[in-house]
Amino acid sequence: NAGVTQTPKFRILKIGQSMTLQCTQDMNHNYMYWYRQDPGMGLKLIYYSVGAGITDKGEVPNGYNVSRSTTEDFPLRLELAAPSQTSVYFCASSPKVDTEAFFGQGTRLTVV
Amino acid sequence: RKEVEQDPGPFNVPEGATVAFNCTYSNSASQSFFWYRQDCRKEPKLLMSVYSSGNEDGRFTAQLNRASQYISLLIRDSKLSDSATYLCVFHTGTASKLTFGTGTRLQVTL
Repeated sequence: NAGVTQTPKFRILKIGQSMTLQCTQDMNHNYMYWYRQDPGMGLKLIYYSVGAGITDKGEVPNGYNVSRSTTEDFPLRLELAAPSQTSVYFCASSPKVDTEAFFGQGTRLTVV
Repeated sequence: RKEVEQDPGPFNVPEGATVAFNCTYSNSASQSFFWYRQDCRKEPKLLMSVYSSGNEDGRFTAQLNRASQYISLLIRDSKLSDSATYLCVFHTGTASKLTFGTGTRLQVTL
C-alpha cells in the first residue's frame, strides 16, 4: 500500500546545482501538491496540479518548476539551487481539493 | 490579517490533562476544515475533519464556530503519544488548494 512516494529522502546540493525531486502516487488522485516546510514553520505551497497536464503556482514558486504528464507523477525541479531553498519538501495528493490530503515522507534538502 | 492563525505553543501539559487549541481564519467563505497531526520530522497526517455540528473521535473533539471564525481541538486525558504539532487546515470553495496553519506544538509530560 504505497500511497505517496517521494525520492530521494535526503540530499545535499551545492549552490548552483540542479535536481529533481520525484513524487508518485498510486491512488489515482487528481490533485497533487508540493509544499516546503522550513524549521518551526508551517507548510508553504510551491506548486499544485488539478490533473494531468495542468499545473499552477502556489505561494512560493520562484526557483522551482513542475510538470504533470501523468496522473501518477508530479516531479519538482530546482534550477540553480540557493541556500534559501534548504528545507523539507513534501508532496501530497488528494482525490478532491476539499478532502484529506495524503503526504509523502518528505525530502530533506540542504544547499551549501 | 493572516489567512489562518494558530498559537505556536509549546503547550506543556501533564499526562491525563485536558488541553484545547484554537485556530482562527480570516476568510468567511471557508467551507471545509481539518485538524492534521505532524510528528517530529514526519509528514502531516489527517487527525479529523471538523463539521459544523462538532464531532468527536475518542478523546478528541473538534468544533467549528463560524460566527467568530475559528475552529478548536480539545484533547482529553492526554497521553505521551499525543505529543506532536497540530495543524489547522481549511479550504475555501473557490480555491484549488488547502491552507495550512503554522501549527501548535503539544508536549505531554509524565
